[in-house]
Amino acid sequence: ETGVTQTPRHLVMGMTNKKSLKCEQHLGHNAMYWYKQSAKKPLELMFVYNFKEQTENNSVPSRFSPECPNSSHLFLHLHTLQPEDSALYLCASSQGWPEQFFGPGTRLTVL
Amino acid sequence: AQKVTQAQTEISVVEKEDVTLDCVYETRDTTYYLFWYKQPPSGELVFLIRRNSFDEQNEISGRYSWNFQKSTSSFNFTITASQVVDSAVYFCALMTTDSWGKFQFGAGTQVVVTP
Repeated sequence: ETGVTQTPRHLVMGMTNKKSLKCEQHLGHNAMYWYKQSAKKPLELMFVYNFKEQTENNSVPSRFSPECPNSSHLFLHLHTLQPEDSALYLCASSQGWPEQFFGPGTRLTVL
Repeated sequence: AQKVTQAQTEISVVEKEDVTLDCVYETRDTTYYLFWYKQPPSGELVFLIRRNSFDEQNEISGRYSWNFQKSTSSFNFTITASQVVDSAVYFCALMTTDSWGKFQFGAGTQVVVTP
């Protein structure tokens, strides 16, 4: 299934910029997740939302600010990022079963 | 503590060869789920299979097969007659009922299939 979309697919930003990543799921799921995948490191869970409520913040720096206006949409607002924040940011959703369905990711480069 | 080990960093094969990816897990929980995901160069993680801790039946889906053995805490994945489209990074993952929604991913195994 490719019912999770993410935009933009690629983003280059300076350290002083503010940008947002968008995720939309068309699967009717009630849980949504943000992950960070850096080179040579395992996937890191950043945030979890269940029924629009944040249920997990995995010690993520405040320069990452999530927003979940409804069960289908998830945003990640970015400001004053650091070069080490360059990574692939993946969104996922789930419903009932433990497996999660992932979007294609946003490749972020911070200059 | 939970841990997933994929000892093979990269496996290179020629098309039509079989390839087996190893996955060893550690958990003290008695109820847990094991997964395999495929990450092609495009980036998205594609869900392949879920197995729960009470179901040790092996599974076959087309050219893919999985061997779950609780006695050795392993959940290995075999691709039969590999194809170039199988080139990807494959992740094994563990989730327990106590940490619902939180995967413990392995480091991944890069599979390179050449024509």
